[in-house]
Amino acid sequence: AQSVTQLGSHVSVSEGALVLLRCNYSSSVPPYLFWYVQYPNQGLQLLLKYTSAATLVKGINGFEAEFKKSETSFHLTKPSAHMSDAAEYFCAVSLPSGTYKYIFGTGTRLKVLA
Amino acid sequence: DAGITQSPRHKVTETGTPVTLRCHQTENHRYMYWYRQDPGHGLRLIHYSYGVKDTDKGEVSDGYSVSRSKTEDFLLTLESATSSQTSVYFCATSTGTGDYGYTFGSGTRLTVV
Repeated sequence: AQSVTQLGSHVSVSEGALVLLRCNYSSSVPPYLFWYVQYPNQGLQLLLKYTSAATLVKGINGFEAEFKKSETSFHLTKPSAHMSDAAEYFCAVSLPSGTYKYIFGTGTRLKVLA
Repeated sequence: DAGITQSPRHKVTETGTPVTLRCHQTENHRYMYWYRQDPGHGLRLIHYSYGVKDTDKGEVSDGYSVSRSKTEDFLLTLESATSSQTSVYFCATSTGTGDYGYTFGSGTRLTVV
């Protein structure tokens, strides 16, 4: 069965610093992978997704993620943090076929320090 | 026009009372889902629907029931609310293809006292 692990429930970075949020997955077949962002008192919004095309995926707000099969990872990065990036981020995985459910990680809350 | 509307946005109810949360979509998506979000647990699937009148259980379905009489509406009922069901509930929709992802509603914050 597929699963997702997000390392670090809380991450703090200084404004302008690199953002790195970690996500490792477990799947017996190549998965589809997603990153969602949740701002306070809002629902989740899709940031980016990997669907077996390019391994480096660019998303909204300057975020990107790289699918690394050998490391079973899909880490989210942004070169320079902005105060508006403070939110909770969720990694999710689904199987490529015959599925309609997604497995979510437990989330990483990003704090951006002035 | 919002794609997914959840109502109510906030509710406080007493232990033992039934509660119904509504999700309405204008996406015309076949699949609809109810999740609950709790600190340290992320999102956990309660129930989902793969068509009108077609529903199935998720990982935390005890104490919940759902109904879907129209493509656009998916109702979640807490049959007899308990304090452990205090949570934020999210509705999501999808086309059902694995590469689409979900579209989420804004959530319902439910407090059971």
